[in-house]
Amino acid sequence: QVHLQESGPGLVKPSQTLSLTCAVSGASISSGDYFWSWIRQPAGKGLELIGRVYTGGRTYYNPSLKSRLSISVDTSKNQVSLQLTSVTAADTAMYFCARDPHRVGFLDPWGQGVLVTVSS
Amino acid sequence: DIVMTQSPDSLAVSLGERATINCKSSQSLLYTPNNMNYLAWYQQKPGQPPKLLIYWASTRESGVPDRFSGSGSGTDFTLTISSLQAEDVAVYYCQQYYGGPSTFGPGTKVNI
Repeated sequence: QVHLQESGPGLVKPSQTLSLTCAVSGASISSGDYFWSWIRQPAGKGLELIGRVYTGGRTYYNPSLKSRLSISVDTSKNQVSLQLTSVTAADTAMYFCARDPHRVGFLDPWGQGVLVTVSS
Repeated sequence: DIVMTQSPDSLAVSLGERATINCKSSQSLLYTPNNMNYLAWYQQKPGQPPKLLIYWASTRESGVPDRFSGSGSGTDFTLTISSLQAEDVAVYYCQQYYGGPSTFGPGTKVNI
């Protein structure tokens, strides 16, 4: 059974770079034919797709974040990474990673999420 | 971007009764070459990540109880819980994956 676990600093200063990783267990990223997505959810609010990466490295970024975003896959570590630059308080949210098993857009499973607060 | 709306914002249903959640998209989610609606439903309980319930508008994910069903086509969709159980208290989201960045509805909170 595939399990995803996000990790990263819980507190990031404004204007700095947010860096998160998503460790995948129970399956090898390199052997699968999936998209791996990042989604965020501000406290008490709805869900926003951040972007996704294909096993081969091809990416799709939400246009609203594209200029600040980088998503990559490290098959040697079996993990997916996210970097978001020049963060502001508006980037404060729970960040989830999830697998797109059919490469069409619906997501299953999801990681538990990691809370990131942007504050000085 | 495709805008997703949901109604109601919240609803209270008695145990064993039916719960109906509506989701509307700003454009059709029906891809006519394959006659599939690019719409999914998720359940999110407090402190947990969303869990996939339904995809292709009406296909139930493996392991999801059959009291959950999805219907609709084009721009109007419904998630029905036929007989509400205590463990179904959650926020339910619809998601379109038809085009642009995939977008989610604002959620519907279901209480007992």
